[in-house]
Amino acid sequence: GENVEQHPSTLSVQEGDSAVIKCTYSDSASNYFPWYKQELGKRPQLIIDIRSNVGEKKDQRIAVTLNKTAKHFSLHITETQPEDSAVYFCAAEQQKLVFGQGTRLTINP
Amino acid sequence: DAMVIQNPRYQVTQFGKPVTLSCSQTLNHNVMYWYQQKSSQAPKLLFHYYDKDFNNEADTPDNFQSRRPNTSFCFLDIRSPGLGDAAMYLCATSRDLAGGNEQFFGPGTRLTVL
Repeated sequence: GENVEQHPSTLSVQEGDSAVIKCTYSDSASNYFPWYKQELGKRPQLIIDIRSNVGEKKDQRIAVTLNKTAKHFSLHITETQPEDSAVYFCAAEQQKLVFGQGTRLTINP
Repeated sequence: DAMVIQNPRYQVTQFGKPVTLSCSQTLNHNVMYWYQQKSSQAPKLLFHYYDKDFNNEADTPDNFQSRRPNTSFCFLDIRSPGLGDAAMYLCATSRDLAGGNEQFFGPGTRLTVL
């Protein structure tokens, strides 16, 4: 079955700097890659997603890149703000969503 | 205009005492999922319903059961909760299976087992 590895597990950046979170997946048949943000005690919320026929997608300060050949995808957050602090999960979907282990992102003022 | 609703938000039960968590949706989605999420971990899929078809994950304990009486409602039954079952339980829905359909999560029910 699918296996998703996510790095780093924790990330601390200064406000205004960029943050990058990376994921790799094992099943080349996976074709949908969402990213979820989860604040403490709250539900996971989709922040951006990418499908296997696209290499990059951007939404304001958030972008995701996908390299199908290497089977990895990354989340990029620019101009980070304190409200970006949360746990971020990547996921890969073939028949079902398989989540990465999560990255706790802390933005330091 | 809540889309995926879970009740209760917090549930306390005693070791071995059956408990039921509920989920409802206003999206008319075909698929409903139940996830277990323990502290600092990713959500773990327990099972899902595609319409009335039930699909259990291979490693979901028999202690966990589910019912979907209609499109809108889905229940998670824990027959004999153990201390290890204390977790956040998340319900999610999607329009269809796979194919890049976004999953919408409910707010979760935090279960405490005494």
